[in-house]
Amino acid sequence: GQSLEQPSEVTAVEGAIVQINCTYQTSGFYGLSWYQQHDGGAPTFLSYNALDGLEETGRFSSFLSRSDSYGYLLLQELQMKDSASYFCAVAGLWNRDDKIIFGKGTRLHILP
Amino acid sequence: DTEVTQTPKHLVMGMTNKKSLKCEQHMGHRAMYWYKQKAKKPPELMFVYSYEKLSINESVPSRFSPECPNSSLLNLHLHALQPEDSALYLCASSQDQTGFGTDTQYFGPGTRLTVL
Repeated sequence: GQSLEQPSEVTAVEGAIVQINCTYQTSGFYGLSWYQQHDGGAPTFLSYNALDGLEETGRFSSFLSRSDSYGYLLLQELQMKDSASYFCAVAGLWNRDDKIIFGKGTRLHILP
Repeated sequence: DTEVTQTPKHLVMGMTNKKSLKCEQHMGHRAMYWYKQKAKKPPELMFVYSYEKLSINESVPSRFSPECPNSSLLNLHLHALQPEDSALYLCASSQDQTGFGTDTQYFGPGTRLTVL
């Protein structure tokens, strides 16, 4: 079967750094994406990792280790507006029987 | 323009009704997606169109019927739905040259569907 595991909830303080982990088990793997979703809103794409290593985009960074089937999203200088749900998702190739699957999401709570 | 639009925003329908959800993008994206999302759950992929052809159908019941009239439009036709089909229906598009989910997906605001 295919699955992604991520913590259901994480709490952090404004201005701090938080890491949201994601481990995956898939029959085919092409890359790992991260999405943010505020309550009542649509998901917003944050990042995509196809290769091992760290990708940085402003306050957000995403890391992938293909050998460990593991990735994480790192949020720095947390702001209250970062309170949202964060989903990791695996991607697949068009010409294979891969699936795009979302993790169950991590609810991030920011404390003032 | 990086906007994906969806209409209507809200829809209430009976189990015998026929309705359609519409999605539009003008970013020249080759892939368009339909997702279903229940409250406090992740999005579940339903269909993917690539170059206006249905590429992925995630074993969705036939009461949901997708249609891609052209490269900018994506419809989801609904017929004889059940109350458990009530959810947020999200449309997304992306460039996805090599695979699905490999590029930025732009989501529309969704249609909140209630089936009575």
